[in-house]
Amino acid sequence: AQKITQTQPGMFVQEKEAVTLDCTYDTSDQSYGLFWYKQPSSGEMIFLIYQGSYDEQNATEGRYSLNFQKARKSANLVISASQLGDSAMYFCAMNSGYSTLTFGKGTMLLVSP
Amino acid sequence: EPEVTQTPSHQVTQMGQEVILRCVPISNHLYFYWYRQILGQKVEFLVSFYNNEISEKSEIFDDQFSVERPDGSNFTLKIRSTKLEDSAMYFCASSEPGRGVKAFFGQGTRLTVV
Repeated sequence: AQKITQTQPGMFVQEKEAVTLDCTYDTSDQSYGLFWYKQPSSGEMIFLIYQGSYDEQNATEGRYSLNFQKARKSANLVISASQLGDSAMYFCAMNSGYSTLTFGKGTMLLVSP
Repeated sequence: EPEVTQTPSHQVTQMGQEVILRCVPISNHLYFYWYRQILGQKVEFLVSFYNNEISEKSEIFDDQFSVERPDGSNFTLKIRSTKLEDSAMYFCASSEPGRGVKAFFGQGTRLTVV
């Protein structure tokens, strides 16, 4: 069974600052994928970034980067230069092979001017 | 960018009624999914569908639920005899075949059972 833990129910950051959203995972599979999704107040789920368990380099997508520490089983999302539009719920998720996604409980990020 | 489309965006139904939630996955995707998110809670997997049959389902996906791909483009979730606790946001998603591929989500259907 897979498990995702997001320990931060809410995070505050000032505009233009960087913020790290924590995610730890548990799986017995050797091959797996880690994902981050953004859910704004409108409700849709927006894919942000993906990291494969065998990827040697940390994934980056624009202002988003994934700090992948395999030995610690952590996959933290780093958002650089926060913008007001980054205010949303952020979900960490994982899958193994062809299996479906297991989500964490999410972290609500609020960006203040 | 291609997207997953869900209709309706909001559905209100009376307890005991049947509802059908509709989804149009991305055209070249072969895996289809339904997820559910009760208000304020995490997203939960319901069912996955591949090659015209269910490939995986969760404990939530009981006999009350069914999925269908009635034609080459639509993917539907039917909930028979809805209950109050079925009120949630329902997300359809699709993905290409392969390991670790990202799932593209639709904008969701908010189901309210009264």
